[in-house]
Amino acid sequence: QKEVEQNSGPLSVPEGAIASLNCTYSDRVSQSFFWYRQYSGKSPELIMSIYSNGDKEDGRFTAQLNKASQYVSLLIRDSQPSDSATYLCAVTMIKAAGNKLTFGGGTRVLVKP
Amino acid sequence: SAVISQKPSRDICQRGTSLTIQCQVDSQVTMMFWYRQQPGQSLTLIATANQGSEATYESGFVIDKFPISRPNLTFSTLTVSNMSPEDSSIYLCSVGGAPDEQYFGPGTRLTVT
Repeated sequence: QKEVEQNSGPLSVPEGAIASLNCTYSDRVSQSFFWYRQYSGKSPELIMSIYSNGDKEDGRFTAQLNKASQYVSLLIRDSQPSDSATYLCAVTMIKAAGNKLTFGGGTRVLVKP
Repeated sequence: SAVISQKPSRDICQRGTSLTIQCQVDSQVTMMFWYRQQPGQSLTLIATANQGSEATYESGFVIDKFPISRPNLTFSTLTVSNMSPEDSSIYLCSVGGAPDEQYFGPGTRLTVT
């Protein structure tokens, strides 16, 4: 079992709709959870951080964390063609020292005009 | 967040040679990391670059193949030694923020022929 799992996609979403991305993780005591956006040929860009159960909203992005279910999700509201990218879920594992992140395989999102 | 630069941005190298990648940050940071992203894959942590001491390598990565230097709190280098085509990847440095966040440099795209 992979430590951080994501559906590889592509997730095809009409412009203006909500894109829903999911991520599950294996380490029950993981502490910190992140979503990165990576455009083709570019490096990952941090878009959301979440540390406690519940929802966290930032602009059109909402991250949702459920530690009991070991599940973190990202919602993109009013999806735009510029949101087309690969979204990487990353988790800090408790057994690791410092800020070590473990990444999922990424979900490719395609927003169609 | 810190401004991170990497040199070179890309290179094409012959097998058996070595390449040193530089990572420069515009402010002092405690945590610096080196990742590899193979074509179509997610990010894999190579090592944590520790200032003033040896780097901490992840399973599957060794110092002889990927020597790392961290002479101060704003600079680090990663050398890819005795390269083979399997080393063709994007190499990324990142710096740690708080809490547990990481920010990535633009990456170095390496092709080994």
